[in-house]
Amino acid sequence: EAGVAQSPRYKIIEKRQSVAFWCNPISGHATLYWYQQILGQGPKLLIQFQNNGVVDDSQLPKDRFSAERLKGVDSTLKIQPAKLEDSAVYLCASSHPSDFGQYFGPGTRLTVT
Amino acid sequence: AQTVTQSQPEMSVQEAETVTLSCTYDTSENNYYLFWYKQPPSRQMILVIRQEAYKQQNATENRFSVNFQKAAKSFSLKISDSQLGDTAMYFCAFMKGGDAGNMLTFGGGTRLMVKP
Repeated sequence: EAGVAQSPRYKIIEKRQSVAFWCNPISGHATLYWYQQILGQGPKLLIQFQNNGVVDDSQLPKDRFSAERLKGVDSTLKIQPAKLEDSAVYLCASSHPSDFGQYFGPGTRLTVT
Repeated sequence: AQTVTQSQPEMSVQEAETVTLSCTYDTSENNYYLFWYKQPPSRQMILVIRQEAYKQQNATENRFSVNFQKAAKSFSLKISDSQLGDTAMYFCAFMKGGDAGNMLTFGGGTRLMVKP
């Protein structure tokens, strides 16, 4: 079974530029999560989708971050404009309704200069 | 809101020995799940072991086992026969029960170094 796929693996941008990350969950996983992991800390949830609907986006900085999951499969997370404090690893995870475990992708390391 | 605390920022252990990583949590929920995740330098977060709060029996996965003390809100991870490949960051995580699609709340992590 293929795992959660993410791209790109690394991205370096200047502040005020925009960036987009892509995630493809494990086949059949209805729930998809985006987490932000700042260096030296545990991941923090940004947004959670159930199929193509948003379940929780209370921690998403909506003035600059947006996310979508069209057709309930792939998802894209966008930052526009980026700030220095957005430098972090962005992790995508997915879960199946019958399984309480979340399975993570390799993450995208974003550096904002 | 739930909080998860890992009081050991770093630990080291000799290869083949046993090490225990600590985790405490705070919640008013009665139905929940606890997890340990491993994050090697490659940063892929890997699910190591999980525990349902309603189960009294401690979970075991090969060399990994937990000591779940519900009343004390403690959830420690024991790694037996440590291997060099166990070197990684370890995160304890909490999830409310009732819905398989709930978010994870992570602790700050413990960096484990296994020495040859």
